[in-house]
Amino acid sequence: QKEVEQDPGPLSVPEGAIVSLNCTYSNSAFQYFMWYRQYSRKGPELLMYTYSSGNKEDGRFTAQVDKSSKYISLFIRDSQPSDSATYLCAMSLSNFGNEKLTFGTGTRLTIIP
Amino acid sequence: DTEVTQTPKHLVMGMTNKKSLKCEQHMGHRAMYWYKQKAKKPPELMFVYSYEKLSINESVPSRFSPECPNSSLLNLHLHALQPEDSALYLCASSQDRTGTRYRNQETQYFGPGTRLLVL
Repeated sequence: QKEVEQDPGPLSVPEGAIVSLNCTYSNSAFQYFMWYRQYSRKGPELLMYTYSSGNKEDGRFTAQVDKSSKYISLFIRDSQPSDSATYLCAMSLSNFGNEKLTFGTGTRLTIIP
Repeated sequence: DTEVTQTPKHLVMGMTNKKSLKCEQHMGHRAMYWYKQKAKKPPELMFVYSYEKLSINESVPSRFSPECPNSSLLNLHLHALQPEDSALYLCASSQDRTGTRYRNQETQYFGPGTRLLVL
């Protein structure tokens, strides 16, 4: 069993739809959770960074963490064609820096105009 | 500014060549990373430098040799690579609060990557 599971998709939705991206994990020691967006042939770009269980909102993006279920989600409201990319969840044991990130496999998302 | 720069953007090399990838950041970050990413796969950690010292080596073959000349620069020296080493090589950096009481959300910022093709 992989430490982090993520539905690889691909996922196609019409413009304006709400998108839900999800990851589950097996290691209860993970404390910090991230979502990265990666456009084709580019480096990952940090979207959201959360610590505790609950919701964190930033514009059209909402990150949700449920540590009891070992489940994290990213919601995108009013999706735009520019949101078309691969979304990677990542998590770490600590937040000191210099630690290893464990990534999900990524979900490829296409927003259809 | 959360910019990490990498050069070159693209690199084609033969199996007998020696080349180097370069990474630079001016955010005052003291942890720097090399990742390898194959198509449709997540990034795989190769090396971590903390305060210019190698702190993590994920059992990477010796044909990859990292170097951290100062706190802003990170190099990856390549020698005698194999075609299966063709990939996107990503550099990242982050603050490093190891050994401090400072608590903040520190995470990694990635560069655009160097796309490497080994023939």
